[in-house]
Formats: sequence, C-alpha cells, structure tokens
Amino acid sequence: DVKVTQSSRYLVKRTGEKVFLECVQDMDHENMFWYRQDPGLGLRLIYFSYDVKMKEKGDIPEGYSVSREKKERFSLILESASTNQTSMYLCASSFSGLRQPQHFGDGTRLSIL
Amino acid sequence: AQSVTQLGSHVSVSEGALVLLRCNYSSSVPPYLFWYVQYPNQGLQLLLKYTTGATLVKGINGFEAEFKKSETSFHLTKPSAHMSDAAEYFCAVSERGKLTFGKGITLSVRP
Repeated sequence: DVKVTQSSRYLVKRTGEKVFLECVQDMDHENMFWYRQDPGLGLRLIYFSYDVKMKEKGDIPEGYSVSREKKERFSLILESASTNQTSMYLCASSFSGLRQPQHFGDGTRLSIL
Repeated sequence: AQSVTQLGSHVSVSEGALVLLRCNYSSSVPPYLFWYVQYPNQGLQLLLKYTTGATLVKGINGFEAEFKKSETSFHLTKPSAHMSDAAEYFCAVSERGKLTFGKGITLSVRP
C-alpha cells in the first residue's frame, strides 16, 4: 500500500513563527502536492511539484513556500504564520500522468494563535 | 479551467436506503474523474475513478458511479447505506495531473 506520512497530526504555533510541515511518501511517486482544507471550501491546492527541486504554484500560494530536495519528501513552509493560516493541511502524491489518482496523508491540523 | 459542482453540503439517509451523491463537472477535454471519501480525522481515500472505457465504474465499499458525458455528471451511488458510510465525499476532476475538487458532501446515516 502507498504510504504518505505527514510529520505531525496536530500543531500549535504562534503568529509570526516560521512553520515547517513535512511530508514523506514511500512509493517513488514523481508528483507531490500540498492542499489546505477548510469547512465549506473543500480542498484548495497550495503548491505542487513534478520532480525534485521543481515547484509550481497552485491556487492559493500566498504566504507559503515549498521545498523538494529529495524525491520522497515535500515540505510546506509558512514563512511568517498568521491566524488565517489556521487550517487542515493535506499532503498527496501520485505517479505522473493525467489518469493517476493522488494518495493522501492523514493531514496536519495547524492552529496559529 | 475545469470545475466541479457538488450541490448541497449535507445528505442524510436511513440505514439500508439508497445513497445518491451528485457531481457535475465542466471540462473542455475528456475528463478524468474521481470520488474520494474522508472519514473523521483522516486523509482522503480513493473510492473510484473514471478514465476511459466503461462508463459505469465500481469502487470500494459497494460504491459505484456512472459517467454521463451528455449530462456532464459523475454521480456516486450505493444501493444500501451502512452506518460506516457516514463520512465526507469529494468529487474531483483531473487537469494536467492536478485535481480540482468539489466542496464536498457530508453523508449522515440514520439508524
């Protein structure tokens, strides 16, 4: 089975802190994705990566950055956390190709105080 | 850009009743469509997918969906609801390897 592991299930940080969310997949997937999930808004794509050291902006990249130094690991960075970034963050990975489904981690519930 | 519409935010059915969750999409090219389920405090799990071929797609846990190009729909059904089906369900369409999700529908199952 595909395993996508997010480093924390719950995280509490303070406004202005630099926050790192880590995601690791064990299936040699080329693609990796970061979403945030908010009630009534569904999932919105923040950033994605098709290859190592490669990144592309999604629909809501403002206030976030990413890093992909190794194929299996994709990090989401909140440069200066704000309260409106309190949310559930989901990482996903997939093989390349339009028909390939994405496989999700269990999510990190992040609270910014 | 492609989009997905899931009308309503909540559906409630009795145990043993038919489950019908609606999904409509917009796409300028042949779509690849997915249904995902999310149980409380978990990530999303793939229920089923339509890529090409048979328009009636069977998935896990007794769910199935039918792709209707003329109606731009991909509705999810299950003949008989079980209490364990209570969850949030998301329809998604693939665009250049990225998924666009609907806002999700919460399914409640009454005893």
